Amino acid sequence: AQSVTQPDIHITVSEGASLELRCNYSYGATPYLFWYVQSPGQGLQLLLKYFSGDTLVQGIKGFEAEFKRSQSSFNLRKPSVHWSDAAEYFCAVGARDADKLIFGTGTRLQVFP
Amino acid sequence: NAGVMQNPRHLVRRRGQEARLRCSPMKGHSHVYWYRQLPEEGLKFMVYLQKENIIDESGMPKERFSAEFPKEGPSILRIQQVVRGDSAAYFCASSPGRAGSNQPQHFGDGTRLSIL
Repeated sequence: AQSVTQPDIHITVSEGASLELRCNYSYGATPYLFWYVQSPGQGLQLLLKYFSGDTLVQGIKGFEAEFKRSQSSFNLRKPSVHWSDAAEYFCAVGARDADKLIFGTGTRLQVFP
Repeated sequence: NAGVMQNPRHLVRRRGQEARLRCSPMKGHSHVYWYRQLPEEGLKFMVYLQKENIIDESGMPKERFSAEFPKEGPSILRIQQVVRGDSAAYFCASSPGRAGSNQPQHFGDGTRLSIL
């Protein structure tokens, strides 16, 4: 069955600290992978996407993610977190022959000054 | 604003009433997707439409829910005879081509539906 797992429901970091949000997927086809961020009461903003090629992808707001096929993972990273990064982060998977995205349950990031 | 526009942002209905949620895709986008987000959960796919056609409605409940994307005007998600369990945030996304053809989906700000 197709699924996305975000094992961390809630993460708290200090401003300036590094961040890694985990995402594991189960998908039969070659996946397309996405990270979205959702601020309270807002919609989802695309941070970055992986379709093919270089497995390390750069996104907006200083985020990057690395696709590791052997581990079925697509973890999101940022070297230094800012207070404005506090939000909910969703990993999603799609595919060439699929139209819908399958989302994880999200990781809520809290940033302390 | 060139983004995906959803209205209303908040909608309150009593049990048994109808809810109509509207979505205008980004300019140049002819593919629309509806997702539902229940509290503390991720988004769940409901339906995928192109102009005048429903392509995939595998995530849509069989009863009370319907969607359309007419030739002119926004896409509409319609929920008849709403029940408390329909309370959720409903998000619309659009893309210029099929999502499976390397086209990322761009999301609106959602409609928060509350059922009294």
